[in-house]
Amino acid sequence: AQKITQTQPGMFVQEKEAVTLDCTYDTSDQSYGLFWYKQPSSGEMIFLIYQGSYDEQNATEGRYSLNFQKARKSANLVISASQLGDSAMYFCAMREGRYNPGGKLIFGQGTELSVKP
Amino acid sequence: NAGVTQTPKFRVLKTGQSMTLLCAQDMNHEYMYWYRQDPGMGLRLIHYSVGEGTTAKGEVPDGYNVSRLKKQNFLLGLESAAPSQTSVYFCASRRTGATSGANVLTFGAGSRLTVL
Repeated sequence: AQKITQTQPGMFVQEKEAVTLDCTYDTSDQSYGLFWYKQPSSGEMIFLIYQGSYDEQNATEGRYSLNFQKARKSANLVISASQLGDSAMYFCAMREGRYNPGGKLIFGQGTELSVKP
Repeated sequence: NAGVTQTPKFRVLKTGQSMTLLCAQDMNHEYMYWYRQDPGMGLRLIHYSVGEGTTAKGEVPDGYNVSRLKKQNFLLGLESAAPSQTSVYFCASRRTGATSGANVLTFGAGSRLTVL
């Protein structure tokens, strides 16, 4: 079973509008972390935002926020005021807390976001 | 501060050839990882290391070997390359600790491998 599911292979958004990228996860751990990474066409992986399972507030980093709904096991990324430079592949990832030697990250399949001028 | 450096960036191999990908980090990180990225499949963990002299298997280890003789280096080897190993390979590292900062992986720029 997929531990991280991103159901939107591709999305379009108009410049300056907000966009939500979906991510659902599956774990029986109480302690875990959720991450979003951006991969532009140049190929590097850029860390965007982190949410711990015990964090009560949704994480925010500039124009990025993570809409964390624990009961629904979702960790959607919200990008406000989209810019052309936001066009990229976005990956959701999870680190489970227990029985996870090395603290490995599990990645979703990715969502390709295209920002239209 | 170079971060995580992968060499080579590109390589074309013939089926059956061998090669080694080198990952070097200068951040004194304990943990290092090798992932492969394939279209529609995200990143999948091949092998990882929790410290110098240690290695462990990830999700897709078959056909690969690794070594971590020095803390700063993590080598990924293909003994007999197959077309199914055509992929983009990413190395990553992170420090230990329970704080959110320690949780963040730092990635290399990737190595694109084509096996003909």
